[in-house]
Amino acid sequence: QSVLTQPPSASGTPGQRVTISCSGSSSNIESNTVGWYQQLPGAAPKFLIYGNNQRPSGVPDRFSGSKSGTSASLAISGLQSEDEADYYCAVWDDSLNGVVFGGGTKLTVL
Amino acid sequence: EVQLVESGGDLVQPGGSLRLSCAASGFTFNNYWMTWVRQAPGQGLEWVANIKEDGSEKHYVDSVKGRFTISRDNAKNSMYLQMSSLRAEDTAVYYCARGGRQRYEYWGQGALVTVSS
Repeated sequence: QSVLTQPPSASGTPGQRVTISCSGSSSNIESNTVGWYQQLPGAAPKFLIYGNNQRPSGVPDRFSGSKSGTSASLAISGLQSEDEADYYCAVWDDSLNGVVFGGGTKLTVL
Repeated sequence: EVQLVESGGDLVQPGGSLRLSCAASGFTFNNYWMTWVRQAPGQGLEWVANIKEDGSEKHYVDSVKGRFTISRDNAKNSMYLQMSSLRAEDTAVYYCARGGRQRYEYWGQGALVTVSS
C-alpha cells in the first residue's frame, strides 16, 4: 500500500485529454515538489515532470503537471498511441525522510 | 552523453549478500546526489536509498535499513549498494538514477537481483 494513491488504470482515445491523479498528505505533496515518470513496457522510467509542473527539455508540451494542496495531477493532451505506458508520481516525504512513489497508473490508448 | 550502467545483479540465496555498482559518465559525478530505485516483478517503483554528493548524508527506505548500505567513490565516478541478509521480497530490478529527491533526470538500464533458494 503506497503512501501516494494513484488510480491503477486510465484510458482514452487518440486525441483526447486524460488526467492522472496522485493523492498524498501534508508530509509529502503539500510540503514538497512532485515529479512524474513514464515507464514504457520493458524499459527504465523516463523523467517527465519535475517541480510540480516543469518539463525537462525534450518532453512534449502535451504533458503538464499541477499541484493543489495534498494532491497532484498529470495531464496528457492530444493522446497518442505511444503514450500507452505506466505513469508514476514521486515526492519527498518529511515524515519518512525518504522519497515515495505512487503505486502507478497504467494508461491504455483505446 | 550521460550514462549510468548498473552491474552486479545475480541470483543469491536468502540470507546472502550482494553488491551492486553503478558506473556514471558524461557528467560531473561529484556534483549530484545519486539514488537507487527498485521494481519487483510486475510491481511499481520503490525508492531504496540516496546519497549526497560528498557521501556525508544518506537516506534509506525502512524495509532495507540495517541491511543495505549505499556508498559512492567520486574518484571512480561510481555508486554502490551493498545488500546483506537478503530476502525473497528484495527480488527486483535495481535502477540507479541521478538525483536526490523527486528529480531523477537519468536512469540506468537496471540490474536484476533474484533472491531464491
